[in-house]
Amino acid sequence: EVQLVQSGAEVKKPGESLKISCKGSGYSFTSYWIGWVRQMPGKGLEWMGIIYPGDSDTRYSPSFQGQVTISADKSISTAYLQWSSLKASDTAMYYCARLEYPAPDYWGQGTLVTVSS
Amino acid sequence: DIVMTQTPLSLSVTPGQPASISCKSSQSLLHSDGKTYLYWYLQKPGQSPQLLIYEVSSRFSGVPDRFSGSGSGTDFTLKISRVEAEDVGVYYCMQGIHLPPTFGQGTKLEIK
Repeated sequence: EVQLVQSGAEVKKPGESLKISCKGSGYSFTSYWIGWVRQMPGKGLEWMGIIYPGDSDTRYSPSFQGQVTISADKSISTAYLQWSSLKASDTAMYYCARLEYPAPDYWGQGTLVTVSS
Repeated sequence: DIVMTQTPLSLSVTPGQPASISCKSSQSLLHSDGKTYLYWYLQKPGQSPQLLIYEVSSRFSGVPDRFSGSGSGTDFTLKISRVEAEDVGVYYCMQGIHLPPTFGQGTKLEIK
């Protein structure tokens, strides 16, 4: 059974750094792209970027280029999304998803990130 | 970026009745490989999105056959033949022909 398990909810202050994770199981982690999707409170879905864990090839949506870093550790079948300096506007639910390229077929349960002073 | 426009943005349907959602893309989603990269997702309340339909009309594993997709080029439709209570949520179309993939605004389905 394909599963993507994300790390738990986070509460951070503006300016802090954060790295959230997404662990894949039940499939060959290095053979599928992983994508990250943002959903701001009460809003729709926005693609942030994708990574191919097999060779760490990474593509960012223009809106998120330079704002976040996507990485993966194939030895532990885990992808990451990180911020170096959070803003209040980063408050959102973040989903990882496996891509049956180019579209997500299996999704993680989501990680809620709250940034507040 | 390709813009995906869904209509209506909300609909209220009596159980057992059909429902239809339209999705229009600002560019053709037909790839030179012959595939059309249009997808439909449902996000039930409090849950992650789930894939319903891929490449316009193919149902994903486990998706009931009351869901069907159709269309070509830039115009697409998701139909539910007989709405059930468990179908409530927000439906999104998504294009995958150009990076970054883009979603429609979402259509909220409620039960009357």
